[in-house]
Amino acid sequence: QKEVEQDPGPLSVPEGAIVSLNCTYSNSAFQYFMWYRQYSRKGPELLMYTYSSGNKEDGRFTAQVDKSSKYISLFIRDSQPSDSATYLCAMKTSYDKVIFGPGTSLSVIP
Amino acid sequence: EADIYQTPRYLVIGTGKKITLECSQTMGHDKMYWYQQDPGMELHLIHYSYGVNSTEKGDLSSESTVSRIRTEHFPLTLESARPSHTSQYLCASALGDEQYFGPGTRLTVT
Repeated sequence: QKEVEQDPGPLSVPEGAIVSLNCTYSNSAFQYFMWYRQYSRKGPELLMYTYSSGNKEDGRFTAQVDKSSKYISLFIRDSQPSDSATYLCAMKTSYDKVIFGPGTSLSVIP
Repeated sequence: EADIYQTPRYLVIGTGKKITLECSQTMGHDKMYWYQQDPGMELHLIHYSYGVNSTEKGDLSSESTVSRIRTEHFPLTLESARPSHTSQYLCASALGDEQYFGPGTRLTVT
C-alpha cells in the first residue's frame, strides 16, 4: 500500500462548479499537508499549506484535513478554465521528507 | 513567483552520453531537491541537499550524482545515459517545508 493515495482522474467539470479533490494516507505521523498545482510542462507550485485538522481558506480554495480519518481535501469554488491542471497532495512528518501523491488531473470546461 | 531555473528545458541524447542538468535558485535557500516525475506518477525524490557540501540520496535509486559547491547551484549528472533515464527531472528549493519548483527538464535518451 502506498503511503499517499490519490484518484488520478481525469476529472472534468463545467465552469463555475465546486471541485473536490481528495487524498488518503496511511502514516499517522504525517503532520504537515500541502496542495500543489501543476500546469502542463511546468513545475508544481504550492497552493495551500496546513498543519492542523480543520479548514484553511484562501480565496476560492479551501484545504480540509481530517487526521482521524487520514483524509485531506482541496475544494475549489467557482472553478475557472484556468484551474485546469494536475493537483498534487503532499505531506510530511515533523522530521522526514515530503511525500507526494500522484496527482489528479482536472479539466474545467467553459 | 519563485526564482528557480533549470536548463536545458528539453534534451534528446543518445545512449552512453554524459549529461548534466543545471539548476539554480536566487532565493538563498539552503535546501534543494531533485525529483523524477513520469506521467501520472508521483514525484520521486532522487537527491537532496541541506546546504553547501551536503548531499544525500533520496528514496528512488538513481545512477545520477549531484554536487553542491555553491548555495545557489545544484547540478545533476548522469555519467552514461540510458533509455531507462527518460523522464522529467524537477529541481526544487525550500524555505522550511515550502518547496518551490523549477520548470523541469524533459530528458529523452534514445
